[in-house]
Amino acid sequence: EAGVAQSPRYKIIEKRQSVAFWCNPISGHATLYWYQQILGQGPKLLIQFQNNGVVDDSQLPKDRFSAERLKGVDSTLKIQPAKLEDSAVYLCASSPIGAADNSPLHFGNGTRLTVT
Amino acid sequence: GNSVTQMEGPVTLSEEAFLTINCTYTATGYPSLFWYVQYPGEGLQLLLKATKADDKGSNKGFEATYRKETTSFHLEKGSVQVSDSAVYFCALRVFGNEKLTFGTGTRLTIIP
Repeated sequence: EAGVAQSPRYKIIEKRQSVAFWCNPISGHATLYWYQQILGQGPKLLIQFQNNGVVDDSQLPKDRFSAERLKGVDSTLKIQPAKLEDSAVYLCASSPIGAADNSPLHFGNGTRLTVT
Repeated sequence: GNSVTQMEGPVTLSEEAFLTINCTYTATGYPSLFWYVQYPGEGLQLLLKATKADDKGSNKGFEATYRKETTSFHLEKGSVQVSDSAVYFCALRVFGNEKLTFGTGTRLTIIP
């Protein structure tokens, strides 16, 4: 099966600019996650969708970050305006609906964002 | 809350050495435990998992045992190879909540 697809792979922007990342999960996976991985740290969940509904966005900085999954398939994460501390790898992951708690998440290769 | 504490790296070993990467956790519920690996230039991949106390997860020569009494899930391998060079993440997931909580990761480098 095809894996989780993310684009772009790399992005360099200046602070205060905006940027968007795209994710296409594994076909049939109803749950989609966006994680932020800052250099030297573990991934931190930003937002979790089940189909097109938000399950958890408690750690999403909503003043500048937004995410949508309008048709319950692919998703877009946006940052506007970007700050220097947003430099990180943004990981998308998916899992099947109704997955048992011991089932794995499938991760994409990530988008590495550098804010200058 | 839920948290994972990992042995700080980086860790550098010679080929065929014995590997241990320590992981301890704190969880409000009853967690499942995972080790994920991130090879250079690639995404996170599940390495192994354990879902209840005393379970042993294993894959590619790596093993980890779920120890409820010490709240630990240490990763071990008897003889590492250069191809094991990667970043290793310990993670947990609590029943009823699908999200993963990760440790900070341990970078492992194996030299020939």
